[in-house]
Formats: sequence, C-alpha cells, structure tokens
Amino acid sequence: EAGVAQSPRYKIIEKRQSVAFWCNPISGHATLYWYQQILGQGPKLLIQFQNNGVVDDSQLPKDRFSAERLKGVDSTLKIQPAKLEDSAVYLCASSPGGSGGLDTGELFFGEGSRLTVL
Amino acid sequence: QKEVEQNSGPLSVPEGAIASLNCTYSDRGSQSFFWYRQYSGKSPELIMFIYSNGDKEDGRFTAQLNKASQYVSLLIRDSQPSDSATYLCAVKGGTSYGKLTFGQGTILTVHP
Repeated sequence: EAGVAQSPRYKIIEKRQSVAFWCNPISGHATLYWYQQILGQGPKLLIQFQNNGVVDDSQLPKDRFSAERLKGVDSTLKIQPAKLEDSAVYLCASSPGGSGGLDTGELFFGEGSRLTVL
Repeated sequence: QKEVEQNSGPLSVPEGAIASLNCTYSDRGSQSFFWYRQYSGKSPELIMFIYSNGDKEDGRFTAQLNKASQYVSLLIRDSQPSDSATYLCAVKGGTSYGKLTFGQGTILTVHP
C-alpha cells in the first residue's frame, strides 16, 4: 500500500514570496491533516479535513495560509506571503476517519516538506 | 497551560536501562492517547496507543494511562541505542473529529 506522498521535499524562498505544498493521502483515507513542525518543537495542527470539508482550522494563520482538498483526495497548502517564522517542516498526514470504530486514531505521515525562508 | 506537556529533556540512559517518558494533558474529555517516535530528519511513527486506564504492553514498550490524573507515560525496557529519538505524546480530543494535539517531545539518548 502506498504511503502519504508529499512534494516538494525541500523549498528555499525569500520572505514575502509564495510557496505551495502538495499532499496525496493514503487511498481511501477520509481525514487529512496539515501540521507545522518548527525545529525542536512538536507538530502543530494547521488544518484538518474530513473528506472535502474543514473540521478544524483554528490554528491556521488565515491572513497568509490557505489550504484546500480537491475532491476529497489531494490537498494543497499555500503560504503567501511567507515570513521568516514560517521556516519549518510541513507534515501531511492521513487517517481512515469516519465512524464505525475502524479508525484507531493513528495518523500516517508523509516525509514532510522542509521550508526555509530567507 | 499547554494542552499537552511532556517532561523536559533531554533524557539520557545507559543501554539496557529503563527509560521513562511522561506526559500530562489538559482536556478531561480526551479519549485516545498516542506515543510517536521521531528520528532526526524523519516523520513521526506510531509506537503505541492507549484508550483505557491502566497499562498496555507491547514488547519492550509499556504505556500507562491515568485519566483521573490526566497523565500518560511510556516506559521503554532494555533500552537500545536504536531507541535514541524524540518521543512525542499525542492526545485526541473527545469529539468525533477530535484533533490530535502533540506535546513538544522529549529527546531520548541511549548510550552504549
């Protein structure tokens, strides 16, 4: 079974530029997450999708960050304009989601996209 | 108060010793508790999850949960150098789409 795919793996931009990250979750997983992990810290949830809909975006800096999930599958996270403090690894994760007790809550992570803002 | 707080590290133990990692959480409605391991430059990977009060054992790993004290721990017996990593405690909220909140992580080093 293919895992969570993310691209690009690395990106270096200057402040005020824009960047976009792409994520393809595990096939059939209803729930998709974007986390931001700053060096030395734990992952912080930016946004959580359940199929097409957003169920939590309370920590997404909406003045500069946006995210969408296309047809309940792939997702894109965009930052515009970027700030120095956005330097981090952006982790995409998925889980089966839904009801029925089949979802243990385990998240399956992609390899992450490392962003450096100069 | 942080939603999920882990004991400050780094933690260094000799090979063969028991490593003890602790975590407290603030949301009393939390239902599910997870321990993830993250090697440097890699993504988190699940070690164990626990839902009920008490202990849960899986090989060299034991998770302990005390909901009354809002406390979760992970014990690693017979620690190996390959266990050297950052350990992340994660707590899932009590709603049906409860988000998974991570602690800041504890760096564990097992020295030969």
